[in-house]
Amino acid sequence: DTAVSQTPKYLVTQMGNDKSIKCEQNLGHDTMYWYKQDSKKFLKIMFSYNNKELIINETVPNRFSPKSPDKAHLNLHINSLELGDSAVYFCASSRGQGRGELFFGEGSRLTVL
Amino acid sequence: GNSVTQMEGPVTLSEEAFLTINCTYTATGYPSLFWYVQYPGEGLQLLLKATKADDKGSNKGFEATYRKETTSFHLEKGSVQVSDSAVYFCALSPNAGNMLTFGGGTRLMVKP
Repeated sequence: DTAVSQTPKYLVTQMGNDKSIKCEQNLGHDTMYWYKQDSKKFLKIMFSYNNKELIINETVPNRFSPKSPDKAHLNLHINSLELGDSAVYFCASSRGQGRGELFFGEGSRLTVL
Repeated sequence: GNSVTQMEGPVTLSEEAFLTINCTYTATGYPSLFWYVQYPGEGLQLLLKATKADDKGSNKGFEATYRKETTSFHLEKGSVQVSDSAVYFCALSPNAGNMLTFGGGTRLMVKP
């Protein structure tokens, strides 16, 4: 069983479209995250949710809207996609406010044309 | 604020060579330190960690020692294998909380 799973793994779309990436974890963790990895492999936190509540929201354009229907899911919706949104998006989860051990999904590669 | 700096890659080594990937950090308080590894096409996995000064984290032959005096957490392995080829990320987490700050990643390529 995959611990943190994301769908889709690959997404190719046109500028201006709206798209969503879904994430589910079966580890029983109560904190989930979205990270963005650019073409140079640099990783940056975007959002963090604890028990369905937003606790971290870095300086991300408001075209990005996370949604957490329950603590096992954290979806990422992106409106009006731009070329600069092309990246690999990683979902991760952890146990509470622990000490930094995150479990990552395999990533979703988004390409905006 | 918190930041992590690691040596730029790629680092190219022959099999059985000694590996060092440098990592230094800037943080307030006493953060925990981590090395994560990303194999091609996969997500990041925790490789090792250290939660206080002078702690040594180790796993799969890799080691790193938390050096508060030099604010460093260098990754070492005595004899690398082709299967170690991956991108390695140094990271820190503040004393309370899970928000990881990552370094820029170092790609390691090991040739047979």
